[in-house]
Amino acid sequence: DTGVSQNPRHKITKRGQNVTFRCDPISEHNRLYWYRQTLGQGPEFLTYFQNEAQLEKSRLLSDRFSAERPKGSFSTLEIQRTEQGDSAMYLCASSSAGQYEQYFGPGTRLTVT
Amino acid sequence: KQEVTQIPAALSVPEGENLVLNCSFTDSAIYNLQWFRQDPGKGLTSLLLIQSSQREQTSGRLNASLDKSSGRSTLYIAASQPGDSATYLCAVDPGGSYIPTFGRGTSLIVHP
Repeated sequence: DTGVSQNPRHKITKRGQNVTFRCDPISEHNRLYWYRQTLGQGPEFLTYFQNEAQLEKSRLLSDRFSAERPKGSFSTLEIQRTEQGDSAMYLCASSSAGQYEQYFGPGTRLTVT
Repeated sequence: KQEVTQIPAALSVPEGENLVLNCSFTDSAIYNLQWFRQDPGKGLTSLLLIQSSQREQTSGRLNASLDKSSGRSTLYIAASQPGDSATYLCAVDPGGSYIPTFGRGTSLIVHP
């Protein structure tokens, strides 16, 4: 197993367009997290899944954001009608049930022009 | 609301120095604290995780301590090397929610 993977690594889009990111967790991990990180800040929690169930959503996750994990494996994060303020690094992490240690992917850097 | 502060925000040292990075948190009712390393433009790499019942954890040249009562953790890096240059982040899991709160990190540069 090669760890958590995220695609694409970089995305440049124009304001108003929709974008979708994918995260593939470590195969035996049933928890999956999405975070957003802007320059000079620590990651901010967006949402997390246990298996296919979305258990928690941050107030940062506006109606334009939606996340899915349909079969409890990979997850997608979609941003509709992107705004310049959405420009950030989007990080995915996974962990095993009952284990606190989270393993992060390399992130997807989004630039909205 | 849990707040996590890391001091200093940036640090530049010559190779070979022993370093202490600080992390403080406002709510002492935590389940664990995790230290991460982040290289520029990359994801986070877990360094050490300290459970609330533990006082410290060690891995190689790294030692992390936890004092819940005072709301503090320190990351000690022995004999620093240029390859240690990165941003170091601490994250606190309040009350076992599995949702950590991160500090802003300490940006470390170790010059030869």
